[in-house]
Amino acid sequence: ETGVTQTPRHLVMGMTNKKSLKCEQHLGHNAMYWYKQSAKKPLELMFVYNFKEQTENNSVPSRFSPECPNSSHLFLHLHTLQPEDSALYLCASSQDPTVGEKLFFGSGTQLSVL
Amino acid sequence: GQQVMQIPQYQHVQEGEDFTTYCNSSTTLSNIQWYKQRPGGHPVFLIQLVKSGEVKKQKRLTFQFGEAKKNSSLHITATQTTDVGTYFCATMAGGGADGLTFGKGTHLIIQP
Repeated sequence: ETGVTQTPRHLVMGMTNKKSLKCEQHLGHNAMYWYKQSAKKPLELMFVYNFKEQTENNSVPSRFSPECPNSSHLFLHLHTLQPEDSALYLCASSQDPTVGEKLFFGSGTQLSVL
Repeated sequence: GQQVMQIPQYQHVQEGEDFTTYCNSSTTLSNIQWYKQRPGGHPVFLIQLVKSGEVKKQKRLTFQFGEAKKNSSLHITATQTTDVGTYFCATMAGGGADGLTFGKGTHLIIQP
């Protein structure tokens, strides 16, 4: 138990589907992150939220849409994905993203796009 | 932003042998962190190094930060099957950006 909970653990979706990934942290942290992990690019930073404001978007395609309603919850809305988007999507949290503090990761959502 | 290169990508060792992974950067790093990811698991923080020439130990694991703060290493003495996994180094993304940049990781495979 890391204090960061992700659901679902596994997701299979077609290219025309719309789905959402959910992340919740119980650590009282101020920052939350989405990382993508695939064989080609392990641990690729996608989005950073600090005090529920997005501070980083690393050139992520618009078919990925993050949402952070408060410092404890983070969503990743998915629509019209491509097969190459199949990967493990990891949520993480930390106290302060500006000073490079350690990250606490959730167990991830293994996504397969058919 | 900052980038870190990790070598080797894969390392096969016999149980009981030592293991070392290296993390290198062309620029000076403010800090370096190490994470371990077990097969089927998620990355778990191991340690952070901040000072030039810093050396830290955790049981059989020894972490070093180079004098120029451009490289780091993780050394495991007398590997055990529980050491299996991927070891990542990470550093601040740099350029004023938030978050951490990770190396590609070293996969440690242990043969009993």
